[in-house]
Amino acid sequence: EVQLVESGGGLVQPGGSLRLSCAASGFTFSSHWMHWVRQAPGKGLVWVSRINGDGSSTSDADSVKGRFTISRDNAKNTLYLQMNSLRVEDTAVYYCARGHNDVFDMWGQGTMVTVSS
Amino acid sequence: SYELTQPPSVSVSPGQTASITCSGDKLGDKYACWYQQKPGQSPVLVIYQDNKRPSGIPERFSGSNSGNTATLTISGTQAMDEADYYCQAWDSGLGVFGGGTKLTVL
Repeated sequence: EVQLVESGGGLVQPGGSLRLSCAASGFTFSSHWMHWVRQAPGKGLVWVSRINGDGSSTSDADSVKGRFTISRDNAKNTLYLQMNSLRVEDTAVYYCARGHNDVFDMWGQGTMVTVSS
Repeated sequence: SYELTQPPSVSVSPGQTASITCSGDKLGDKYACWYQQKPGQSPVLVIYQDNKRPSGIPERFSGSNSGNTATLTISGTQAMDEADYYCQAWDSGLGVFGGGTKLTVL
């Protein structure tokens, strides 16, 4: 079964760090761009970051540039998002999504990140 | 930064046609896609490359993109189509979503 399962969310204080993981299964992970997309409570979808199949190319939204780092371990079929200097406005459900021809053709169930003191 | 604008809400009667627009500067020069999200669920791709339907998406979903506007059209709207819909495109290597449209079927 083709599946993406996120983990690592939780409650963190402003200025803190958190690392999210996304375990992929059922497809050739290294052949796909992978993305993180977030959704604040009651709000819309916001693209966060992307990484190419071998991890050599990444890009980030301006709102997280310099604070978040996307990476992947193809041997473990796992995508990561290292989030530093977290702000209250980073509070959201974070989804990992598989890229295919520049669309997100498969999504995980999401993991909630709450930044609060 | 690039922006995509959607109406916050659209209402439609069952069996009628719903149209949801997405506006952005020269959007027609880019590929637009659409995602459906029901409450408590992850988004699902319903239209890609302006007008293509992924496997498993009903034929009543269609799309177009020209000029500054992309449009998602749902023909013969059903109660199960009630959801939030988001358009999405790429600009200079960065992903951009519209603000979302809540489709109400009543």
